[in-house]
Amino acid sequence: AQSVTQPDIHITVSEGASLELRCNYSYGATPYLFWYVQSPGQGLQLLLKYFSGDTLVQGIKGFEAEFKRSQSSFNLRKPSVHWSDAAEYFCAVGTDSNYQLIWGAGTKLIIKP
Amino acid sequence: DSGVTQTPKHLITATGQRVTLRCSPRSGDLSVYWYQQSLDQGLQFLIQYYNGEERAKGNILERFSAQQFPDLHSELNLSSLELGDSALYFCASTPGQGFYEQYFGPGTRLTVT
Repeated sequence: AQSVTQPDIHITVSEGASLELRCNYSYGATPYLFWYVQSPGQGLQLLLKYFSGDTLVQGIKGFEAEFKRSQSSFNLRKPSVHWSDAAEYFCAVGTDSNYQLIWGAGTKLIIKP
Repeated sequence: DSGVTQTPKHLITATGQRVTLRCSPRSGDLSVYWYQQSLDQGLQFLIQYYNGEERAKGNILERFSAQQFPDLHSELNLSSLELGDSALYFCASTPGQGFYEQYFGPGTRLTVT
């Protein structure tokens, strides 16, 4: 069965430091992968997506993610975080069933001043 | 702004009551997804509609129902409300077949007292 694991429930990072949020998936074929961000009290916003091709994908707000098939991972990175990046981040994988997404549990990013 | 609208933004009601949440998808999108987000359960897929027809069901309670109208807006009906139904309810839309990336509305926060 398809699944998505985000092993970190919370991550605390100092402002200006680099960030990596982990996402591991379980899927038989080449997956469609997504990262979404949810700011407090808001809906989810698409950060970036991977369908095929270049395994390093660029997204909005300076984020990037790298697809590693051998590790079944799609980790999200940012070289220097800003206080406004404090939010919850969700990884998702597209399924064959009615184009639904399987969601990870989310990682809450806390920024230290 | 994703182009998906949801009303109302907040709803406070008592146990045993019934409420209706409304969602208007992005212009041209045919598919609507409903999600429930609570602190202990995370983001849970409830139900999907495509061009007026139910396409997939997730963890939707029998007390909950939804429909999509000819103008493509959707309503989620929650009845016999319990304290545990307090949550954020999101809808998301996509153009339909072949599209995975979902665009989320701002959500409706339901509080059952």
